[in-house]
Amino acid sequence: DAGVIQSPRHEVTEMGQEVTLRCKPISGHNSLFWYRQTMMRGLELLIYFNNNVPIDDSGMPEDRFSAKMPNASFSTLKIQPSEPRDSAVYFCASSLTGGYTFGSGTRLTVV
Amino acid sequence: GENVEQHPSTLSVQEGDSAVIKCTYSDSASNYFPWYKQELGKRPQLIIDIRSNVGEKKDQRIAVTLNKTAKHFSLHITETQPEDSAVYFCAASVNTGGTSYGKLTFGQGTILTVHP
Repeated sequence: DAGVIQSPRHEVTEMGQEVTLRCKPISGHNSLFWYRQTMMRGLELLIYFNNNVPIDDSGMPEDRFSAKMPNASFSTLKIQPSEPRDSAVYFCASSLTGGYTFGSGTRLTVV
Repeated sequence: GENVEQHPSTLSVQEGDSAVIKCTYSDSASNYFPWYKQELGKRPQLIIDIRSNVGEKKDQRIAVTLNKTAKHFSLHITETQPEDSAVYFCAASVNTGGTSYGKLTFGQGTILTVHP
């Protein structure tokens, strides 16, 4: 298994632009999580899905953030418009039995 | 919601010594407690986990203990090696069983440095 696959690995964008992060979970995993990691705030849960259904999006910072999971093998996290304070590493993780497997993350820099 | 506190924030030991990292949680319903290791620039990786029906679990040089009454759990690393240097995160969640597992709430992390 290739593990959880995220793309892109790095993204540099200008303030105000739309950013889309992508995630392919491990086949057979039915839970998918989006986390944001910064030095100041650590690992923050943004949203998670069970069986493609959003369960808890209380961590989504504001309306500029949205996430979708159209099928069991794909999810996106979109930021529109992006702001410098969104700069962070965004991790996607999937799970079946409780322990997460994380993707390699997307390092987002908004200038 | 759940709140997980982790201590210490940094830990420095000599190679061969033991290292202990402690976490407390607030939600008495939490029943799943994993630990993750994150090396610089890499993803967090699960190293050991424990469920609330056991008090201790060991895997080679790593062990985790759980005290549900006091709502705290700890990671113990014995005979530390320089390659153990990393950031370690504890986490807690409420798992209702079956194939639906809840969100993990992470501690703030402990930077462990093992000096040769």
